[in-house]
Amino acid sequence: AQKVTQAQTEISVVEKEDVTLDCVYETRDTTYYLFWYKQPPSGELVFLIRRNSFDEQNEISGRYSWNFQKSTSSFNFTITASQVVDSAVYFCALSADEGTYKYIFGTGTRLKVLA
Amino acid sequence: ETGVTQTPRHLVMGMTNKKSLKCEQHLGHNAMYWYKQSAKKPLELMFVYNFKEQTENNSVPSRFSPECPNSSHLFLHLHTLQPEDSALYLCASSQGGASQETQYFGPGTRLLVL
Repeated sequence: AQKVTQAQTEISVVEKEDVTLDCVYETRDTTYYLFWYKQPPSGELVFLIRRNSFDEQNEISGRYSWNFQKSTSSFNFTITASQVVDSAVYFCALSADEGTYKYIFGTGTRLKVLA
Repeated sequence: ETGVTQTPRHLVMGMTNKKSLKCEQHLGHNAMYWYKQSAKKPLELMFVYNFKEQTENNSVPSRFSPECPNSSHLFLHLHTLQPEDSALYLCASSQGGASQETQYFGPGTRLLVL
């Protein structure tokens, strides 16, 4: 069975603090893809990153960075020097099973960045 | 206009009404999806269309009826809904329908059924 767990329901930080959002996944497939999306209050899910299971290099994009560790089945997301505009719900998703279209989403982490 | 658009953004309807949600993608993609997002629940995949053909119906009640006239447009026809159908309905598209494809989402239609 495939599953994505985002144990942190809500996190509050003060602006300029660093924050890490956790994502733990379960799958028996050796080929799979992991995604992070941001959902601001407007509702639209904004794509942030896609990572395949064969690429364990960490990635940095501006203030965002991702730490993929197959040994612990985790794909954590860190925002450095958080800003109020980072306030949103963040979803981690897993896609596996070649030929299917299903994303398995976590329940999301609501991030509140306070000025 | 770019990306994935959805209309209307907000909809209030009674249980006996019939309404339709519209989704349009301007990305040249071939696969389109409907998702339901209820409070405190993970996103639920409802339907998938790949090259205008429905390839997934995730046990959705028949009061939801999808239509995909071409690869750029997707509709969700609603009739005799229940209050528990109140949710945010999100449309997404991807280049193809393979599992590794990145899905791009629209802003959603927030539906309230009275």
